Amino acid sequence: DAGVIQSPRHEVTEMGQEVTLRCKPISGHDYLFWYRQTMMRGLELLIYFNNNVPIDDSGMPEDRFSAKMPNASFSTLKIQPSEPRDSAVYFCASSLRDTDFYEQYFGPGTRLTVT
Amino acid sequence: DQQVKQNSPSLSVQEGRISILNCDYTNSMFDYFLWYKKYPAEGPTFLISISSIKDKNEDGRFTVFLNKSAKHLSLHIVPSQPGDSAVYFCAASGNYGQNFVFGPGTRLSVLP
Repeated sequence: DAGVIQSPRHEVTEMGQEVTLRCKPISGHDYLFWYRQTMMRGLELLIYFNNNVPIDDSGMPEDRFSAKMPNASFSTLKIQPSEPRDSAVYFCASSLRDTDFYEQYFGPGTRLTVT
Repeated sequence: DQQVKQNSPSLSVQEGRISILNCDYTNSMFDYFLWYKKYPAEGPTFLISISSIKDKNEDGRFTVFLNKSAKHLSLHIVPSQPGDSAVYFCAASGNYGQNFVFGPGTRLSVLP
C-alpha cells in the first residue's frame, strides 16, 4: 500500500491567496483526519471525517478554513484567504475502525509558507 | 492550557541503555493513550497504545506504563538503538474517541 498521500509537499503563497491541500487516505480506511503542526501550538487536530462525513470540526481555527471529503479516496483542506500565521505543516491521517482503530496512519505532510 | 504535557524537550541516552520518556495529562476524562515517533520531514508513526483499563502494555522493545492516579504515563525503550533517535509524541483522548490531544514532543537522541 502506498500509504497516505498528500500534495503538494511544499506550498509557498502570498497573503490573501487561496490555498488547497490534498489528501488521499489509505484504501479501505473509513476515518480521515487533518492536523496542523506549529512550533507554538504543536500538533493540533483540525477536523476529522467518518465515512466522508465531518464528525468534529471544533479544531478548525476560523471560517477561512474549510475541509471537504467528496468521496472515500480524496479530501481537501482549503484556506481562503491565507495569512502568514497559517504557515505550518499540515498532516493528513487515516484509520480503520477495526482492531487497530486508534492507530492513525499519517501522510508526510504539506509545509505551507504564507508570505 | 496544555492538557498533555511532555516536560522534557530533549533526552540523550547511550546506545544499549534504557530510554524513558514521560507524559503527564490534566484531563481525568482521558482514557486512551498513544505514543508516536516522528522523523524529520515525515509524518508521525504509531508506536504503541494503552487504555485506562490497563497499567502496562508491551510491544517488543517498547513498553508503556500508565499511572491513572498520578495522571502520568511513560514510554520505556530497551535497549535503545541509534535508529530510535526521533521526536516522540504522547497523545490522549476521552470516551475512547478519535479526538486526540497531542503533547509537544520529546526529542530523543541515542548516542552510539
